[in-house]
Amino acid sequence: QKEVEQNSGPLSVPEGAIASLNCTYSDRGSQSFFWYRQYSGKSPELIMFIYSNGDKEDGRFTAQLNKASQYVSLLIRDSQPSDSATYLCAVGESGGYQKVTFGIGTKLQVIP
Amino acid sequence: EAQVTQNPRYLITVTGKKLTVTCSQNMNHEYMSWYRQDPGLGLRQIYYSMNVEVTDKGDVPEGYKVSRKEKRNFPLILESPSPNQTSLYFCASSLVSSGNEQYFGPGTRLTVT
Repeated sequence: QKEVEQNSGPLSVPEGAIASLNCTYSDRGSQSFFWYRQYSGKSPELIMFIYSNGDKEDGRFTAQLNKASQYVSLLIRDSQPSDSATYLCAVGESGGYQKVTFGIGTKLQVIP
Repeated sequence: EAQVTQNPRYLITVTGKKLTVTCSQNMNHEYMSWYRQDPGLGLRQIYYSMNVEVTDKGDVPEGYKVSRKEKRNFPLILESPSPNQTSLYFCASSLVSSGNEQYFGPGTRLTVT
């Protein structure tokens, strides 16, 4: 069973700070990596995806991928109370992307 | 509006009574998938489909069936629901060419008594 590990949190950060969310995965051949945001009672919403080692930035969000360490992270700069949600890490399987494994999610709380 | 729709949104049923949860997308996506979400276990993939008439098992397929007769629809069938299938179910879709960046439906909360 391929695994995707996340700390369930909650991770509390003050408004305006950088929130750092981390994820490790077990399948060394995985090729696609995603971050979804899920507000309470709502469906997951894709916020970032990354396929290559390094950093990818989109607005206040930066995804970082290190395949050698099997590690992917999400940084949220200038955190806002509206960023309070659960962040799900998802990994596409090696050899394709048909099967996707999700982590349990990290709950982020941004304190005003 | 591009969207994934699911029906019903809420369902309470009894053990053994067959039910179907429908999923439809209007984005011409080839890939569709069903997940269940349970506290402490996260999202787990039940079945997925790469295109019409092409389906495959995810991580937790036991007790579920799917079919993909049309590109836009991907119903989830519980032939004989049991209480351990009480969960929040999500349907998702994506373009094959996109690398599986999935769009999720609003969810169906199922309770089996």
